[in-house]
Amino acid sequence: SAVISQKPSRDICQRGTSLTIQCQVDSQVTMMFWYRQQPGQSLTLIATANQGSEATYESGFVIDKFPISRPNLTFSTLTVSNMSPEDSSIYLCSVAVYNYGYTFGSGTRLTVV
Amino acid sequence: GQQLNQSPQSMFIQEGEDVSMNCTSSSIFNTWLWYKQDPGEGPVLLIALYKAGELTSNGRLTAQFGITRKDSFLNISASIPSDVGIYFCAGQNYGGSQGNLIFGKGTKLSVKP
Repeated sequence: SAVISQKPSRDICQRGTSLTIQCQVDSQVTMMFWYRQQPGQSLTLIATANQGSEATYESGFVIDKFPISRPNLTFSTLTVSNMSPEDSSIYLCSVAVYNYGYTFGSGTRLTVV
Repeated sequence: GQQLNQSPQSMFIQEGEDVSMNCTSSSIFNTWLWYKQDPGEGPVLLIALYKAGELTSNGRLTAQFGITRKDSFLNISASIPSDVGIYFCAGQNYGGSQGNLIFGKGTKLSVKP
């Protein structure tokens, strides 16, 4: 399976600021995904990061709030913009590996104060 | 959209006991996945199921893909303290948008030594 390195592992941010989360994979993958896990909740897909084109966002998530970059087949970033306390969550990067399923990074625990 | 009903929500068991949890859906899935999440970590894939009726084991874990393709269960035999964590089921449909995963709300397992 792929190994995912996600940074930062945690951060405490002031409301109104932005945070960029990085996801690095040790092999080239076609599909990379960003999930949000609110406190005590399950995982919700934010968007699919496509290499060479704009990300595809799920209902309830917009590009202005969660801009995504995918410059190559091993790297992606998610930015949480103009943060509010409601954005406090764990943000997870995931990749689809053929014949293995989906692998997740260890997550970024974000607290907005 | 598609939703998964995962039960039970939480379990408190004695070390050595067997555990069973399940997920049901009103719609069918092509793939069922079971993940475990430890505190501060991302979900780790335990078992992946790709065919209706498939029964797959991974050590003390056994999972089945329901015949109707609308349900799956996970059993853990002879539980040990390190089994503590949150278990998530996830369904996937290739006919949907990007084939993303739909997650259940999780089963929190506590094991008393």
